Amino acid sequence: EDQVTQSPEALRLQEGESSSLNCSYTVSGLRGLFWYRQDPGKGPEFLFTLYSAGEEKEKERLKATLTKKESFLHITAPKPEDSATYLCAVRYFSGGYNKLIFGAGTRLAVHP
Amino acid sequence: GAGVSQSPSNKVTEKGKDVELRCDPISGHTALYWYRQSLGQGLEFLIYFQGNSAPDKSGLPSDRFSAERTGGSVSTLTIQRTQQEDSAVYLCASSRNTNPGHKGFEQYFGPGTRLTVT
Repeated sequence: EDQVTQSPEALRLQEGESSSLNCSYTVSGLRGLFWYRQDPGKGPEFLFTLYSAGEEKEKERLKATLTKKESFLHITAPKPEDSATYLCAVRYFSGGYNKLIFGAGTRLAVHP
Repeated sequence: GAGVSQSPSNKVTEKGKDVELRCDPISGHTALYWYRQSLGQGLEFLIYFQGNSAPDKSGLPSDRFSAERTGGSVSTLTIQRTQQEDSAVYLCASSRNTNPGHKGFEQYFGPGTRLTVT
């Protein structure tokens, strides 16, 4: 079954405590993996697109990496303003159609 | 520039009533998507439009749900005979194109419409 799983469901960090969020997928024909940030009461905000294994993207304290089965979102020295839900989505080709599945997200809380 | 806008931001309706939710995509974006997000849940795909092609309706949960996109721009999601389980945040997104592997596929989301069915 085509699936996208994010872990952990929730993560609590102290300010400055680096960590990683995981997005694993079991689809074939990957056409792109996307990371989004969602703040309460708002729509998801696009962060990164990764297209092939080995690719990396960076933005401020965030770095996204991709392998053939999973992606990691590394957060270096997080600040309280990084608190949000982080969503990943996988675009793939199946049955003649392009499909997109979102994971359930990781709720990140960074405390001062 | 202007992002994706949605209206209304909040809608409270009685069970059995019909509702219309509106989405204005980013100008020049050919693809438009509707999602539903229940409290604490991930995004559930509903429908997407790409240019003048027939929409992909595979995510619509029942025939009470329908959507239109007029003139390749504004879209309206209609829910008929609303039920309490329809209560959720309805999110709209647009992207420049949907060609696999091409740049510009990333989706830009609106703020959502929070629908509450009483």
